[in-house]
Amino acid sequence: QKEVEQNSGPLSVPEGAIASLNCTYSDRGSQSFFWYRQYSGKSPELIMFIYSNGDKEDGRFTAQLNKASQYVSLLIRDSQPSDSATYLCAVNTGGGNKLTFGTGTQLKVEL
Amino acid sequence: DADVTQTPRNRITKTGKRIMLECSQTKGHDRMYWYRQDPGLGLQLIYYSFDVKDINKGEISDGYSVSRQAQAKFSLSLESAIPNQTALYFCATSGSGGTDTQYFGPGTRLTVL
Repeated sequence: QKEVEQNSGPLSVPEGAIASLNCTYSDRGSQSFFWYRQYSGKSPELIMFIYSNGDKEDGRFTAQLNKASQYVSLLIRDSQPSDSATYLCAVNTGGGNKLTFGTGTQLKVEL
Repeated sequence: DADVTQTPRNRITKTGKRIMLECSQTKGHDRMYWYRQDPGLGLQLIYYSFDVKDINKGEISDGYSVSRQAQAKFSLSLESAIPNQTALYFCATSGSGGTDTQYFGPGTRLTVL
């Protein structure tokens, strides 16, 4: 079992819709969780991080964490074509600032 | 200017050649990382360094070596490049003050013929 799992997609949503991206992780001791966006051929850029159970909102983005279910998600409201990218979930699975990345979910926002 | 820079940005080399990829950062971070990314495999950690004297192997260190010349510089070497090392390589940095957010450089696209 992979430590951090994501559906590779592609996930297609119409412009203006809510995109929901999901991630599960195996290490119950994980304390911090990150979402990165990566455009093709470019470097990952941080969207947001979450440490505590519940929701954390930043503009059109909401991260949701449920440690009991070992599940973290990212919601993108009012999706735009510029949101089309691969979204990487990363989890601190061993402490010491090492992150384990999922393989990413490709999001396509269609006009 | 970018906080994390990588040189070269693109490199084509031949099997058996030695190659060095360099990373510099102006973020003042202690911790630096090297990843490779292959299509469909996500980011895999090659080496990481928590300070100049602390260097650790990641999950795929075979065939690679690193040097931490200073707090701001972390180099990755391929002693004898092979075609399956063709990939996109990223350097990343993070602080040590309680946050573990990693910030990535622009990447180096390496092709080994």
